[in-house]
Amino acid sequence: EVQLVESGGGLVKPGGSLRLSCAASGFTFSSYSMNWVRQAPGKGLEWVSSISSSSSYIYYADSVKGRFTISRDNAKNSLYLQMNSLRAEDTAVYYCARDARAAAASWFDPWGQGTLVTVSS
Amino acid sequence: EIVMTQSPATLSVSPGERATLSCRASQSVSSNLAWYQQKPGQAPRLLIYGASTRATGIPARFSGSGSGTEFTLTISSLQSEDFAVYYCQQYNNWPPTKTFGQGTKLEIK
Repeated sequence: EVQLVESGGGLVKPGGSLRLSCAASGFTFSSYSMNWVRQAPGKGLEWVSSISSSSSYIYYADSVKGRFTISRDNAKNSLYLQMNSLRAEDTAVYYCARDARAAAASWFDPWGQGTLVTVSS
Repeated sequence: EIVMTQSPATLSVSPGERATLSCRASQSVSSNLAWYQQKPGQAPRLLIYGASTRATGIPARFSGSGSGTEFTLTISSLQSEDFAVYYCQQYNNWPPTKTFGQGTKLEIK
């Protein structure tokens, strides 16, 4: 069964840092691009960042560029999101999502269950 | 950046009736358009990709159409489990930002 499990969320003060992880199983992790998507409380989905299978291509939403860093470890089947200089508006559930197909522009499937990040003093 | 605009923001429909949701892209995304369903407290669930292809296990009452900048998700006969929020997403090659629409909440009339 293909599965994505996020961890690392929690409460952090404004200006602080947090590192999210996403553990993948049930598929060849190194073959797929991966993504982070967030959802603020009561709001819609916002694409945050994408990383290609070999980490050669990395993209960010303007709202997080320069503060967040996406990375992956194919040997550990894991995806990461390092979040620095956190702001109240970064408060959201963060989802890990796989590109549905390898080596082409793709929709997202499957998704993890999400991890909540709360930025508050 | 490609901006995705969904309408209406909220749609009230009775069970058994048809629901039609719209999604517009600020520039052509060809058929690189997906639809997701999200229920409270759950992760999004893929419904449609390639603008019109149903994902595995999705009932035939869900159908997608359109290309370029105008897209539609139709639910032919609403069941109780279909009341949720629906999002469209473009995944065009360039720019490589896979933006979502703001969502349409489908509620029971």
